Amino acid sequence: EAGVTQFPSHSVIEKGQTVTLRCDPISGHDNLYWYRRVMGKEIKFLLHFVKESKQDESGMPNNRFLAERTGGTYSTLKVQPAELEDSGVYFCASSLHRLAGGSTDTQYFGPGTRLTVL
Amino acid sequence: QKEVEQDPGPLSVPEGAIVSLNCTYSNSAFQYFMWYRQYSRKGPELLMYTYSSGNKEDGRFTAQVDKSSKYISLFIRDSQPSDSATYLCAMSALRGGKLIFGQGTELSVKP
Repeated sequence: EAGVTQFPSHSVIEKGQTVTLRCDPISGHDNLYWYRRVMGKEIKFLLHFVKESKQDESGMPNNRFLAERTGGTYSTLKVQPAELEDSGVYFCASSLHRLAGGSTDTQYFGPGTRLTVL
Repeated sequence: QKEVEQDPGPLSVPEGAIVSLNCTYSNSAFQYFMWYRQYSRKGPELLMYTYSSGNKEDGRFTAQVDKSSKYISLFIRDSQPSDSATYLCAMSALRGGKLIFGQGTELSVKP
């Protein structure tokens, strides 16, 4: 079974430009999470999708970040316009967990996208 | 103050040593406690998962949770060079909810 995949693995852009990150969760996983690790800091939660709906977006830093999950499959995270402080590693995770119970809530992480804003 | 505190290390031990990794937390709502292992340039990989207080053992790894002290630990017995990685504690208040991570402890096991 394929794991969580993320594209690109590395992106270097200039301040003010737009970048779109993509995450493909494990097939059949309803839950998709975005996290970010800024240099020297802990991994921080950004948002959580259940299928195509945003369950929790309390971690989104500001309105320059837009996450979508059309059709409840893959997700994109767009940063527009990018700022220097957006540099870091963006992780995506997915889980099978359903509120009806009986399923694991283990979050499986992708390898991350390393974003550098110059 | 951070919700989860973890000593970033680095921690260097000889092969075969017992390793003890710890995290403290401030939010009493946390009920689900995890340890993830992360190798360089890879994503975090779940190592241990514990619900509420107690101990859990899996091979050379033992996870302990003390909710009264808001303290969790991971012990690695007979450590191996392949255990060299960053170990991240993570916790959640809700099953399936967002994870709150510690900063991670970088561990190096020397042959």
